[in-house]
Amino acid sequence: ETGVTQTPRHLVMGMTNKKSLKCEQHLGHNAMYWYKQSAKKPLELMFVYNFKEQTENNSVPSRFSPECPNSSHLFLHLHTLQPEDSALYLCASSRLAGARPGADTQYFGPGTRLTVL
Amino acid sequence: AQKVTQAQTEISVVEKEDVTLDCVYETRDTTYYLFWYKQPPSGELVFLIRRNSFDEQNEISGRYSWNFQKSTSSFNFTITASQVVDSAVYFCALGAAGNKLTFGGGTRVLVKP
Repeated sequence: ETGVTQTPRHLVMGMTNKKSLKCEQHLGHNAMYWYKQSAKKPLELMFVYNFKEQTENNSVPSRFSPECPNSSHLFLHLHTLQPEDSALYLCASSRLAGARPGADTQYFGPGTRLTVL
Repeated sequence: AQKVTQAQTEISVVEKEDVTLDCVYETRDTTYYLFWYKQPPSGELVFLIRRNSFDEQNEISGRYSWNFQKSTSSFNFTITASQVVDSAVYFCALGAAGNKLTFGGGTRVLVKP
């Protein structure tokens, strides 16, 4: 496979369930991201990982727990979610631009459409 | 603080018409990067272009063209001779330190046959 893949593409879960979203990048990148896209808000950055280390947590509730075991894989563990967490969750990756801040081009996966009942 | 504004929430055109999407940004950085992404109904954001703040040359790629004007903090995007396949949501984004992207709210383009 090429690019950034995400599984599952669709997920329906109850508020008491525990589930995980998976993201894998085949681009040789060293940074990975989670975004939330809901109907009412623009794209919201949730987490950033550089070389497997978390460098950004954008005040995300603890019911979302990210995990980055290596530079190619990123997970988002979900537990006791709320209906307002229903959204499209997008994963992205980039090659860190080093001395050129802001230059990273992020490549996105197809997203996981999450519905919380 | 970084901010990107896409004032047009939705644009509807008939096939073969040109459509221009506006993007205005705010930043205090002297070096920055601007991006456009396309999000078709399938959901995936597709990267279209990246420009840096030192390069104000307009760019054309097929039916797409971009007009970067630093004096007005704008980075507008034009689709020439639109096609139904151009129907999507288009996002403008600003790249900042910390490898973070600030996205605009998006403009939905509907091209009718």
